[in-house]
Amino acid sequence: TQLLEQSPQFLSIQEGENLTVYCNSSSVFSSLQWYRQEPGEGPVLLVTVVTGGEVKKLKRLTFQFGDARKDSSLHITAAQPGDTGLYLCAGLAGAGSYQLTFGKGTKLSVIP
Amino acid sequence: DAGVTQSPTHLIKTRGQQVTLRCSPKSGHDTVSWYQQALGQGPQFIFQYYEEEERQRGNFPDRFSGHQFPNYSSELNVNALLLGDSALYLCASSPQRSAYGYTFGSGTRLTVV
Repeated sequence: TQLLEQSPQFLSIQEGENLTVYCNSSSVFSSLQWYRQEPGEGPVLLVTVVTGGEVKKLKRLTFQFGDARKDSSLHITAAQPGDTGLYLCAGLAGAGSYQLTFGKGTKLSVIP
Repeated sequence: DAGVTQSPTHLIKTRGQQVTLRCSPKSGHDTVSWYQQALGQGPQFIFQYYEEEERQRGNFPDRFSGHQFPNYSSELNVNALLLGDSALYLCASSPQRSAYGYTFGSGTRLTVV
């Protein structure tokens, strides 16, 4: 069974601060996806990383896929209250697997 | 362009009853997956349907079953409801040609009493 562990579980920071969320596994994934979920809504896809060592930037968000494709991180620069939400990482095992394995999520609160 | 539509949004059922949840995929998507998200947890994969057949199944009992129709819409059925089945049920659609383009609906909040 593949597992994804996210840390920290909860994060409360002031507006303007930087933060990093981690997603780790002992298993290799063919791709890693990051989602943001708001209360009462479904997850919204932020990015997909596919290649080991890949770095993708989305405005103030930077996503990295580990060289061994077992871990990933999400870094937010100068957090804003609009970044508040539940951040979920999810992995696809590989060829022939259609199952997304999710971490438990990191609940981020950005205080104005 | 409508995204993934799920109905109903909320549902209260009694233990032992049966429930049917519905999902219409995003336009252009032909693959539908169902996930269960318990409070404070990440979503867990139930199964995926493609070409009206169950293509892959997660670690869920046979009480959970599904169906996909020719128009790609899907239903999730749960029999003999347990209190532990209370959760947010999410439907995600994707195009077959891409394993990465998942779009989730807002979910159905099921409460079993």
